[in-house]
Amino acid sequence: QKEVEQDPGPLSVPEGAIVSLNCTYSNSAFQYFMWYRQYSRKGPELLMYTYSSGNKEDGRFTAQVDKSSKYISLFIRDSQPSDSATYLCAMDSNAGGTSYGKLTFGQGTILTVHP
Amino acid sequence: EPEVTQTPSHQVTQMGQEVILRCVPISNHLYFYWYRQILGQKVEFLVSFYNNEISEKSEIFDDQFSVERPDGSNFTLKIRSTKLEDSAMYFCASSERGSGTQYFGPGTRLTVL
Repeated sequence: QKEVEQDPGPLSVPEGAIVSLNCTYSNSAFQYFMWYRQYSRKGPELLMYTYSSGNKEDGRFTAQVDKSSKYISLFIRDSQPSDSATYLCAMDSNAGGTSYGKLTFGQGTILTVHP
Repeated sequence: EPEVTQTPSHQVTQMGQEVILRCVPISNHLYFYWYRQILGQKVEFLVSFYNNEISEKSEIFDDQFSVERPDGSNFTLKIRSTKLEDSAMYFCASSERGSGTQYFGPGTRLTVL
């Protein structure tokens, strides 16, 4: 079983739609959960960061973490054509109370928002 | 807004040659990382660096790879003898703390011929 699984899509939605992106993971040591956005041939750009379980909201973006199900989600409300990109989930453990930040990434989901 | 920068943006080299990829992390960050992304594949961790030494490295990071912080601002990745399979995007990242948010640079596209 892969450590982090993410449906690569592609996902195509109309402008204004609510987008739901998901990742599952197998490593119960993961404590830090991030979503990055990556435009073609660019570096990952941090969107959301969550520690442990719960929800976090930032503007049109909401991140959810369900550690009991080993499942994380990113919701995008009122999606815009400028949201078209690849969305990467990434996770980090906190082994022994210290972590050196070895992020494990999902495959990435390609999202297209069409006008 | 502070950002991670990387040079060059694109490097073409012949197989067997040495390359050095350069990064300038965000100035108050203490933890530095290299990742790579082969075209169409996942972003993969290579190495983390803190307090002038390697903290953790992946299986990919073999003896052909080395990292260095030669001065107070630069962080470099050296590949001693490049192979065709080293062709990828290489991303540098930095963070303030060892856990939590990492900020990535724009990447260096390495092409090995």
